[in-house]
Amino acid sequence: DTAVSQTPKYLVTQMGNDKSIKCEQNLGHDTMYWYKQDSKKFLKIMFSYNNKELIINETVPNRFSPKSPDKAHLNLHINSLELGDSAVYFCASRRTAGELFFGEGSRLTVL
Amino acid sequence: QQQVKQSPQSLIVQKGGISIINCAYENTAFDYFPWYQQFPGKGPALLIAIRPDVSEKKEGRFTISFNKSAKQFSLHIMDSQPGDSATYFCAATPKAAGNKLTFGGGTRVLVKP
Repeated sequence: DTAVSQTPKYLVTQMGNDKSIKCEQNLGHDTMYWYKQDSKKFLKIMFSYNNKELIINETVPNRFSPKSPDKAHLNLHINSLELGDSAVYFCASRRTAGELFFGEGSRLTVL
Repeated sequence: QQQVKQSPQSLIVQKGGISIINCAYENTAFDYFPWYQQFPGKGPALLIAIRPDVSEKKEGRFTISFNKSAKQFSLHIMDSQPGDSATYFCAATPKAAGNKLTFGGGTRVLVKP
């Protein structure tokens, strides 16, 4: 049983389109995150939710909108996709400070 | 502004050798220093972690050395194996709940058989 699962694993789309990535965790954690990993492997936090409440919102374009319907789910919607949005997006949930469980990632390619 | 600086960016080591990755930080509020291992196509996974009240932590072939005064910490992989080939990230986070985990830039380790 996968602890943190993301769908889809791959997205290929044209510039200007809208796309969503879904994430679910079955670990019972209260806090979830979205991280972006660029082509140089750098991991950058985007958002964090604690029990459905937004607690971290880094400097991310407002084309990116997270939504947490309950504490086990954290989705990411991206409007008007740009070339620079191409990256791997990771969902994670937190057991304790610094101990994160990551999903396998969703690779977004914008053409 | 990168709060956690990691070096080297890449490392090639022979099987049986020692891999050493170094990290430095500036924020004295950081209280927990984990290392993550990431294989291609997978998400990062927690490998080993240390708090600043100890200078060294060992788990199997992996050891973290911590120097609080220098604000530096390092990962040593002893007897490196081809299966250790991965990207390694150091990270740091403050103790306060809700605060973010900040990652270093990553080190790609290749262990040659």
